[in-house]
Amino acid sequence: AQSVTQLDSHVSVSEGTPVLLRCNYSSSYSPSLFWYVQHPNKGLQLLLKYTSAATLVKGINGFEAEFKKSETSFHLTKPSAHMSDAAEYFCVVSDQDDMRFGAGTRLTVKP
Amino acid sequence: EAQVTQNPRYLITVTGKKLTVTCSQNMNHEYMSWYRQDPGLGLRQIYYSMTVEVTDKGDVPEGYKVSRKEKRNFPLILESPSPNQTSLYFCASSPNRDRFNIQYFGAGTRLSVL
Repeated sequence: AQSVTQLDSHVSVSEGTPVLLRCNYSSSYSPSLFWYVQHPNKGLQLLLKYTSAATLVKGINGFEAEFKKSETSFHLTKPSAHMSDAAEYFCVVSDQDDMRFGAGTRLTVKP
Repeated sequence: EAQVTQNPRYLITVTGKKLTVTCSQNMNHEYMSWYRQDPGLGLRQIYYSMTVEVTDKGDVPEGYKVSRKEKRNFPLILESPSPNQTSLYFCASSPNRDRFNIQYFGAGTRLSVL
């Protein structure tokens, strides 16, 4: 069985400050982990994925995530938020059995 | 351009009136699936298809039907919609069910059942 928990339903930051979106997972296997972004009225778009290679994964638009097996975490970060980063973000865990989406974190960026 | 196309984007209907939401992909993907998105619940899988003529239930299949007669199309059918099926629906595709694969999503269909 697997599960994924996004620890914050809503995160608000000021433009130019760091972003941290937290994700914890559980899986019986060595999972693949993904972050997707959903802008208003759009479908989900891949930000980055982890598939058991380097534990620090770089994605699009300056985002990155670090896989920490000991903490079962895959937190998403960005050094400096931009107004265009305002969106909903989903953490996804995938293994041999299944794929699960987190409940989502809505990121608000204040000017 | 590689894409997943859903239609319609918005739909308002009444209880019991059968409807179909179409989904088409142009990437020759084997695996397709349908999700519903509800606030605080993330995306939950309704049905998926590993290949043509092979479909299976996801986590929330009740009240829905699907078919996969050709590789590119995967329509979602609500035979008798009810208000609890009011939701945002996404179709997605990927090359296969391999856990490493990225999924490609349509733009979504917002359904309201009155």
